[in-house]
Amino acid sequence: ELKVEQNPLFLSMQEGKNYTIYCNYSTTSDRLYWYRQDPGKSLESLFVLLSNGAVKQEGRLMASLDTKARLSTLHITAAVHDLSATYFCAVDPLIKAAGNKLTFGGGTRVLVKP
Amino acid sequence: DTEVTQTPKHLVMGMTNKKSLKCEQHMGHRAMYWYKQKAKKPPELMFVYSYEKLSINESVPSRFSPECPNSSLLNLHLHALQPEDSALYLCASSPTDRASGNTIYFGEGSWLTVV
Repeated sequence: ELKVEQNPLFLSMQEGKNYTIYCNYSTTSDRLYWYRQDPGKSLESLFVLLSNGAVKQEGRLMASLDTKARLSTLHITAAVHDLSATYFCAVDPLIKAAGNKLTFGGGTRVLVKP
Repeated sequence: DTEVTQTPKHLVMGMTNKKSLKCEQHMGHRAMYWYKQKAKKPPELMFVYSYEKLSINESVPSRFSPECPNSSLLNLHLHALQPEDSALYLCASSPTDRASGNTIYFGEGSWLTVV
């Protein structure tokens, strides 16, 4: 059974500082997704990482994937209040099935304080 | 247009009721999904449709019955639900099956309360 673990589960950030969220998974995968969810809202796609060593950046967020270590990181640079949300990683295992079969991590609730 | 539209946004139903959740996308995606999300928990996959055929059922109870009438529509029929089925139900779609690893787009969700 695929397990996806995120840590920390809660992150209290100070504006202007840098932080990292970690996502570990238990089985071989060639793709990893990062999503953002605001309270009471749906999931917003942030990044899709498709290969070992993949790095993607958008604004203050940067995501990377190490498939050998089965680890992805989401790095936040100079946190701002607008980044307060819950962040999920999700893994699509290497199985033969039609459609994407995402398993989500437990989520990291981020609160950015002034 | 990267929109997945779900209706209704909120639904309250009794345990003996029959209701349906609807999902629509016009992005030409051939894979569509139903996820269930309980409060403060991650989404959990329920069903996957690929090219209008059910390809994955994650051992979901039969009181949930999915239907894919065509490539743009996905329904979730609800019957004899329990209060613990109250949750946010998310529909999603992706451009193809897993071959390309493209982004999976989620709808705004349907909040279901079973009383």
